[in-house]
Amino acid sequence: IAGITQAPTSQILAAGRRMTLRCTQDMRHNAMYWYRQDLGLGLRLIHYSNTAGTTGKGEVPDGYSVSRANTDDFPLTLASAVPSQTSVYFCASSDSPSGSDTQYFGPGTRLTVL
Amino acid sequence: GQNIDQPTEMTATEGAIVQINCTYQTSGFNGLFWYQQHAGEAPTFLSYNVLDGLEEKGRFSSFLSRSKGYSYLLLKELQMKDSASYLCAVREGDYKLSFGAGTTVTVRA
Repeated sequence: IAGITQAPTSQILAAGRRMTLRCTQDMRHNAMYWYRQDLGLGLRLIHYSNTAGTTGKGEVPDGYSVSRANTDDFPLTLASAVPSQTSVYFCASSDSPSGSDTQYFGPGTRLTVL
Repeated sequence: GQNIDQPTEMTATEGAIVQINCTYQTSGFNGLFWYQQHAGEAPTFLSYNVLDGLEEKGRFSSFLSRSKGYSYLLLKELQMKDSASYLCAVREGDYKLSFGAGTTVTVRA
């Protein structure tokens, strides 16, 4: 059982380029999330999806977009990357978005924008 | 939004006990989580509290006081492998999970 996978593991990107970070889960979880983690700031929610076909904005959505065409996949797109988007990006999923339901995290993507 | 505060760093000796405090301010509290994150790895779930009191899980315990906006994570019988960052996260409403900046615990022999 893979759980949650993310690709790529790391990427160096020129400013202005478009980039899609991939996230796939095989647990049939309804809810999925994208976070960025920066030193001293902790994990911050970028976008989320409570179920396939729906998405919502988190705390820091500007410059990012997501789609949820099916249950398993939740790609994050940077339309035109900027250096401030240099960060470690974690995808997570949970069976439902409420209650004691635990969020499970993928291994992360380390993105550097130059 | 909400503020979640926890100490930046703590150091303790192998075999000792360490208590990591977390204070928060929120308008719609719906549960508090603790996660462990080793350097370069993903966060992993440790504990969940939604009612006041202590939840014990082996060497780890978590306490919650909703009226005080306060939680702590207690790590007993510290082992070298417990060296990691510990993240306090508060759920507000149905989905939003807000994280503190994390506490880096260093266990020394």
